[in-house]
Amino acid sequence: KAGVTQTPRYLIKTRGQQVTLSCSPISGHRSVSWYQQTPGQGLQFLFEYFSETQRNKGNFPGRFSGRQFSNSRSEMNVSTLELGDSALYLCASSLDLAGGTDTQYFGPGTRLTVL
Amino acid sequence: GESVGLHLPTLSVQEGDNSIINCAYSNSASDYFIWYKQESGKGPQFIIDIRSNMDKRQGQRVTVLLNKTVKHLSLQIAATQPGDSAVYFCAETGQLQGDMRFGAGTRLTVKP
Repeated sequence: KAGVTQTPRYLIKTRGQQVTLSCSPISGHRSVSWYQQTPGQGLQFLFEYFSETQRNKGNFPGRFSGRQFSNSRSEMNVSTLELGDSALYLCASSLDLAGGTDTQYFGPGTRLTVL
Repeated sequence: GESVGLHLPTLSVQEGDNSIINCAYSNSASDYFIWYKQESGKGPQFIIDIRSNMDKRQGQRVTVLLNKTVKHLSLQIAATQPGDSAVYFCAETGQLQGDMRFGAGTRLTVKP
């Protein structure tokens, strides 16, 4: 079974631009979560989607948004990019059959550099 | 606020030795704990998990111990190999699916 895939793997943008990252979960997984990883802050939770609805959200500004499609694929968008948005953005998927906590499997990440 | 594993220590071991990586968590409501391994340029890879109704779980060469009294989690790797060199993260979550909180990580270096 294929793992979580993320595209693109690398991105370079300039301040003020916006960016869209894509994530395809493991087949059959219904929950998709997004995380930001930086050397200074470590891994931080952005948001989680289930059945096309944002079910949970971390402590990030409104410039960070996401959505999930009917096939469970997810995208996240960052508008008005700032230098501090440079990070590895990770997507994770899980089965979430019972609606409770479940193991999350991560993709390789998208490395975003903001100049 | 609540946090998991506040620092990024390093651990250097000799190939073949056993490794123990520790993690402290502060949210007593957490009921699910996971250890992840992250190699350079890759996403975190699931190693082993444990729920709060257990205090020990074993996998292939790995054991996770949970001490809820002192809110401590540890990962034991038996017969450590060079391929085990990576950053190891503990993560915990409570009732909210997806809201997984990660520790800062421990860098494990295995010397041949």
